[in-house]
Amino acid sequence: QVQLVQSGGEVKKPGASVKVSCKTSGYRFSSYGINWVRQAPGQRLEWMGWSSGYNGKPKYAEKFQDRVIMTTDTSTTTVYMDLRNLTSADTAVYYCARELAVADYFSMDVWGQGTTVTVS
Amino acid sequence: EVILTQSPDTLSLSPGETATLSCRASQSISAGFLAWYQQRPGQSPRLLIYGASTRASGVPKRFSGRGSGTDFTLTISSLEPEDIAVYYCQQYGGSPLYTFGQGTKLDIK
Repeated sequence: QVQLVQSGGEVKKPGASVKVSCKTSGYRFSSYGINWVRQAPGQRLEWMGWSSGYNGKPKYAEKFQDRVIMTTDTSTTTVYMDLRNLTSADTAVYYCARELAVADYFSMDVWGQGTTVTVS
Repeated sequence: EVILTQSPDTLSLSPGETATLSCRASQSISAGFLAWYQQRPGQSPRLLIYGASTRASGVPKRFSGRGSGTDFTLTISSLEPEDIAVYYCQQYGGSPLYTFGQGTKLDIK
């Protein structure tokens, strides 16, 4: 079955960087993009960016443009999200989610289990 | 940026009743770009509805979506205890590419 398995929780100091991995399985990797979405305590879900499964090309939300990098390892079908210069406002659960793009419908049909990042 | 506003913030109903959740967009969006998610306590979001009205794989028929333009609705009939969750609407398009509503928390009495 389709699975997205994320790396474990992280505790970071302000100013540090964090790299979260998302290991995919159970589907043709090149046919689907992967989104990154975060959820800070008490806040709504927030889209951070997307990586193409076809060529690894990323697309970032303007808010994170200057300090996020999303990369892809096609040999292991793993996607990575690297967020730099962390502040306490980055404390959140980070999710990877497969993009469902069918006939002009856009949503996220499979989600990872989430990775808690605490900045303190 | 398209802002999604959900109402009510909290809904408390009894088993067997029908829940009606609203999602209003700050500007008109294509119905194809509207989705609904369920997030049970301690779990990741789960896709319920995409394209405003198409149920995702494995979603019970009790869940239905409708709407167009700026007003969209998620209806959950015959409520069950397992429906306790926060429900989010999501739209695609513009900048940022995806935005979400603030969520409606559904409690079962």
